Amino acid sequence: QKEVEQNSGPLSVPEGAIASLNCTYSDRGSQSFFWYRQYSGKSPELIMFIYSNGDKEDGRFTAQLNKASQYVSLLIRDSQPSDSATYLCAVNKDSSYKLIFGSGTRLLVRP
Amino acid sequence: EAGVTQSPTHLIKTRGQQATLRCSPISGHTSVYWYQQALGLGLQFLLWYDEGEERNRGNFPPRFSGRQFPNYSSELNVNALELEDSALYLCASARTSGVTDTQYFGPGTRLTVL
Repeated sequence: QKEVEQNSGPLSVPEGAIASLNCTYSDRGSQSFFWYRQYSGKSPELIMFIYSNGDKEDGRFTAQLNKASQYVSLLIRDSQPSDSATYLCAVNKDSSYKLIFGSGTRLLVRP
Repeated sequence: EAGVTQSPTHLIKTRGQQATLRCSPISGHTSVYWYQQALGLGLQFLLWYDEGEERNRGNFPPRFSGRQFPNYSSELNVNALELEDSALYLCASARTSGVTDTQYFGPGTRLTVL
């Protein structure tokens, strides 16, 4: 079992729709959770981080964390073609402070 | 505020050679992390430096090494290059070494080994 799992996609949504990206993690001791966006050939760009159970909103983005289910998600409202990218879920689980990344979900927003 | 910078942007080497990659963190950040992103393999943690010391390393052979300088910039050295070392090497910096501290990535160095 991978430490951080994501559906590779592609997830295809029409412009203006809500895109829902999911991530599960195996280590119950994981403490912080990050979503990065990566355009092809570019480096990851931080979108959001979340540490506590519940929802965290930032503009069109909402991160949701459920530690009991070991599940973190990212919702993108009013999706735009410019949101088309690979979304990486990353988990920081212990005192090593390294990020464990999922393999990413490719999102395609159709105009 | 300037972001994380990396040099060179591209690097082409042949098998058996050595490669040196450089990273300058965001001003005020003391922690530097190195990751490898090989095609189809995702981002893998390589090394973590904080306050000039190597704090942790990933599951990579010893020919991957590095250091952090007094100004917190960092260098990644890869000796005896192998074809499978071809990848995008990403450097990230964080303000401190806390588990909740956010890591910000540089643009990467694309290493090609022929």
